[in-house]
Amino acid sequence: GNSVTQMEGPVTLSEEAFLTINCTYTATGYPSLFWYVQYPGEGLQLLLKATKADDKGSNKGFEATYRKETTSFHLEKGSVQVSDSAVYFCALVTLYSGGGADGLTFGKGTHLIIQP
Amino acid sequence: DTGVSQNPRHKITKRGQNVTFRCDPISEHNRLYWYRQTLGQGPEFLTYFQNEAQLEKSRLLSDRFSAERPKGSFSTLEIQRTEQGDSAMYLCASSQRGWKETQYFGPGTRLLVL
Repeated sequence: GNSVTQMEGPVTLSEEAFLTINCTYTATGYPSLFWYVQYPGEGLQLLLKATKADDKGSNKGFEATYRKETTSFHLEKGSVQVSDSAVYFCALVTLYSGGGADGLTFGKGTHLIIQP
Repeated sequence: DTGVSQNPRHKITKRGQNVTFRCDPISEHNRLYWYRQTLGQGPEFLTYFQNEAQLEKSRLLSDRFSAERPKGSFSTLEIQRTEQGDSAMYLCASSQRGWKETQYFGPGTRLLVL
């Protein structure tokens, strides 16, 4: 079956530091990959996605590249801000031949804390 | 676009009672999903609808759980004979089309079974 492994948190960084949150996966078939973010008191929202190998998803200064050879989708940002403090979830979905799926498979989440 | 809404936001019940949650998706979205999230874990898929048809159900969805989406609009998730292990956040999401599309999540219903 499908699974997603994320680095354990919390991850604490100072403002303007470089961020990497590791995500690796195992999947049957050819997955689409996602990063979702949950800000304090808010619902999950999509941060970025990539649907094929070597695609780079980007949004709000965050980037992640779909690496099929290493089955990874690491999230990076060059200079984090206090407002980036949130829980980040890596997720994937693989499709059946008929177009159905077992749903998004999420990692456990990584709590990011940015200190001023 | 008013977003996905869920009601109630919190529910406390006693073991053995039945509970029902409601989800109102974004109006033009034909797909609706239910997930469950426990503390320290990511969301786990339960089931999804395309319009009014329930197309997939996870093995997590025991026979005490039932979901409906009459007329392809709002959806309800009912848990019968609740157990303490049902305590979790129940999330609803909707999307316009397929699995590669963005899923928009509601704020969730937090269930506590005493």
